Amino acid sequence: GQQLNQSPQSMFIQEGEDVSMNCTSSSIFNTWLWYKQEPGEGPVLLIALYKAGELTSNGRLTAQFGITRKDSFLNISASIPSDVGIYFCAGQPYLRNTPLVFGKGTRLSVIA
Amino acid sequence: NAGVTQTPKFRVLKTGQSMTLLCAQDMNHEYMYWYRQDPGMGLRLIHYSVGEGTTAKGEVPDGYNVSRLKKQNFLLGLESAAPSQTSVYFCASSFRQATDTQYFGPGTRLTVL
Repeated sequence: GQQLNQSPQSMFIQEGEDVSMNCTSSSIFNTWLWYKQEPGEGPVLLIALYKAGELTSNGRLTAQFGITRKDSFLNISASIPSDVGIYFCAGQPYLRNTPLVFGKGTRLSVIA
Repeated sequence: NAGVTQTPKFRVLKTGQSMTLLCAQDMNHEYMYWYRQDPGMGLRLIHYSVGEGTTAKGEVPDGYNVSRLKKQNFLLGLESAAPSQTSVYFCASSFRQATDTQYFGPGTRLTVL
């Protein structure tokens, strides 16, 4: 089946630093989504991208839908301790009405 | 409006025992999903449903069964639990299409001894 390669697997950063993570695939996706999961909770949607080239921000978070439709990245600027968690990318495959495919996640730790 | 709720929150089973996990949503969503989350593996889809009375297999369906008798409920059953099914299970729902935002429940942590 279709797979998403998410990197890095984990990151340790200092408070105030910027963060960048990405997802790539060999397949085309129609939609890219970025979720955050905090400890003991279910994932929560951060940003949704629906068109190739789309760049969308949500506060300090910015995500882009790659032009090739095979990748997406998420940037977090000026990180703070509450940014800690696991960030998942998810893609809607080209075939409509097939379920989302999730990346394996990037675990972010922020050192105050 | 509670969103997506899951019961129980925690459970310990012995190998061979059976159990049912309940997911309920009050958002009138058509689609519902069951995922399992294991360290380093991300979220893997077990089964999903595109409407009341329908179910479909996901990426890792073996050892699980599901039922969607009512639109608001999606049940995940383990007929004969195995240690490999030790995991955190998440239910999610979305309004209509698979591209719609998925709302996740808080998870059920299951340990099979």
